[in-house]
Amino acid sequence: AQRVTQPEKLLSVFKGAPVELKCNYSYSGSPELFWYVQYSRQRLQLLLRHISRESIKGFTADLNKGETSFHLKKPFAQEEDSAMYYCALSGRNQGGKLIFGQGTELSVKP
Amino acid sequence: DGGITQSPKYLFRKEGQNVTLSCEQNLNHDAMYWYRQDPGQGLRLIYYSQIVNDFQKGDIAEGYSVSREKKESFPLTVTSAQKNPTAFYLCATTQGMNTEAFFGQGTRLTVV
Repeated sequence: AQRVTQPEKLLSVFKGAPVELKCNYSYSGSPELFWYVQYSRQRLQLLLRHISRESIKGFTADLNKGETSFHLKKPFAQEEDSAMYYCALSGRNQGGKLIFGQGTELSVKP
Repeated sequence: DGGITQSPKYLFRKEGQNVTLSCEQNLNHDAMYWYRQDPGQGLRLIYYSQIVNDFQKGDIAEGYSVSREKKESFPLTVTSAQKNPTAFYLCATTQGMNTEAFFGQGTRLTVV
């Protein structure tokens, strides 16, 4: 079955520290992986997707097919990064179904 | 703002009643989705529709129903069969498969 797992409900770091939000998935085929972010009082929005290989707001994520992971990383966390982060998966095998993980709340302390 | 409008923002329902949540989009997107967001459980897919007059069950469809009579609209009905309907409901759209999803502001449903 297709599944996205984010093992950490809450991740708390100090400003300037590196941060890594973990995401593991199960999917039979070639998935599309995404990271979405929800800042306080704002809509859920796309942060980045693996196919674009971009760095957005200093965040990067590498798709590791061997480990079936798509961890989100940032070398130096900022207070404005505090938000809820969701990893998501989509693929042709499931007819466009978009599946989300449980979410990780990132708290960056001053 | 965003092109996706969910209404109402807050909704109260008495036990045993059906209620319908509205989702309208002007992005001309083909696909629309309904998710339920509960603390600690992330977003769980209720129903989704890739084209007009067609929709599929998600992971937690029991107690819910949808229709897709127009491309712009994908209303969700929470029926009395849904045993624990109090939650935050999110509507989303995508242009096609494997593309960026856009979300509405959400509707918070409370059973009183």
